[in-house]
Amino acid sequence: GENVEQHPSTLSVQEGDSAVIKCTYSDSASNYFPWYKQELGKRPQLIIDIRSNVGEKKDQRIAVTLNKTAKHFSLHITETQPEDSAVYFCAASGANAGKSTFGDGTTLTVKP
Amino acid sequence: NAGVTQTPKFQVLKTGQSMTLQCAQDMNHNSMYWYRQDPGMGLRLIYYSASEGTTDKGEVPNGYNVSRLNKREFSLRLESAAPSQTSVYFCASNLDRADTQYFGPGTRLTVL
Repeated sequence: GENVEQHPSTLSVQEGDSAVIKCTYSDSASNYFPWYKQELGKRPQLIIDIRSNVGEKKDQRIAVTLNKTAKHFSLHITETQPEDSAVYFCAASGANAGKSTFGDGTTLTVKP
Repeated sequence: NAGVTQTPKFQVLKTGQSMTLQCAQDMNHNSMYWYRQDPGMGLRLIYYSASEGTTDKGEVPNGYNVSRLNKREFSLRLESAAPSQTSVYFCASNLDRADTQYFGPGTRLTVL
């Protein structure tokens, strides 16, 4: 089955700096790669996603890049703000898989 | 649309008691999932239902059973609760397996 590894497990940055979180996956058939943000005590919610026919996608301060050959994808947050502090999860899934596979999460702390 | 709803929000059980967690979605989604999240940890898949009428085990199915009652509802049953099942339980759904998952607000379960 699919295996997703996420790094780093914790990340601390100064407000205004950039943050990068990386994930690798094992199943070359995976074609959908979402990123979820979970604030303390809340449910995970989608912040951005990418499909395997696209190499990069951007939404304001957030971007995701995908390298299908290397089987890795990354979340980039620019000009970080304290409200970006949360746990971020990557995931991978494919049409033939029964389910998504999630990474273990990255706790991002943005210091004012 | 209410999205994904879960009941109850909080529950305290004694060891050996049974209970059913309810989940419903009004987005006409085909796939539904049950996860558990222990403090400071990631999401672990308990069971999922790729489509109405089917259910499959996830990573941590022991001690749980599920029922996909209809397309809208997916319940999780603990037959004989144990302290190791103390956790936050999230239900999620998506239109298809390779698609965004929408999470419910969670059920915080404590087993004494």
